Amino acid sequence: RKEVEQDPGPFNVPEGATVAFNCTYSNSASQSFFWYRQDCRKEPKLLMSVYSSGNEDGRFTAQLNRASQYISLLIRDSKLSDSATYLCVVYNNDMRFGAGTRLTVKP
Amino acid sequence: EAQVTQNPRYLITVTGKKLTVTCSQNMNHEYMSWYRQDPGLGLRQIYYSMNVEVTDKGDVPEGYKVSRKEKRNFPLILESPSPNQTSLYFCASSLLVAGALFSYNEQFFGPGTRLTVL
Repeated sequence: RKEVEQDPGPFNVPEGATVAFNCTYSNSASQSFFWYRQDCRKEPKLLMSVYSSGNEDGRFTAQLNRASQYISLLIRDSKLSDSATYLCVVYNNDMRFGAGTRLTVKP
Repeated sequence: EAQVTQNPRYLITVTGKKLTVTCSQNMNHEYMSWYRQDPGLGLRQIYYSMNVEVTDKGDVPEGYKVSRKEKRNFPLILESPSPNQTSLYFCASSLLVAGALFSYNEQFFGPGTRLTVL
C-alpha cells in the first residue's frame, strides 16, 4: 500500500464548478500536511498547508481528518488557470508525495 | 531572484555513460534533496542532505550518488545509467530550523531535468 494515495483523475470540470480532491495516508504518526500544485512539465509549488482545524485561502479550502487519515482540497468557482495536477504531501520526518490528481477546467 | 536551478534540463544518453546533473540554490538553505517523478508513482526521494558533507539515502538511492561540498550545490551523479533511470528529476531545497526539517517549511523545487537513457 502506498503511503499517500490520491484519486489520479482526471477531473474534467466546467468553469465555475466546485471540485473536491481526496487523499489518504497510511502513517498515523504523520505530522504535517500540504497541497502542492504542479503544472504540466513544471516543478511542484506549494499551494497551501493543511491545518488540523481546516483552513481556507480564497477559493481553496483544505481539511484534515486525523482519525480517518484523510485530507481534502476543495476548489470553488474553478478557473481555467486552476488546470494542473494537485499533489497531496504528508510530512513525517520527511516529505511523502502522492501521485497527484489531474484537474482540467474547461470553458 | 530566489531560485533552484538544474542543468541540463533535458538529456538523452546511452547505458553506462556516466553523467552528472547539477543543482544549485541561492537561498542559503541547509536542506537539499533529489527526487524522481514517474507516472503513477509520484515523487520519490533519491538522496537528501541536511548540510555540507552530510548526505543520506532516500527511498530509491540505488544507482545514484550525490555530494555536498558546498552549501549551495548538490549534484546528482549516475555512474552507470540504465534505462530504468529514465525519469523526470527534481532537485529541491528548504530551510532547517534547529537542525531539523521544520514541518511547515516549503520545499522549493528546481525546474526539473528530463533524462532518457537508451
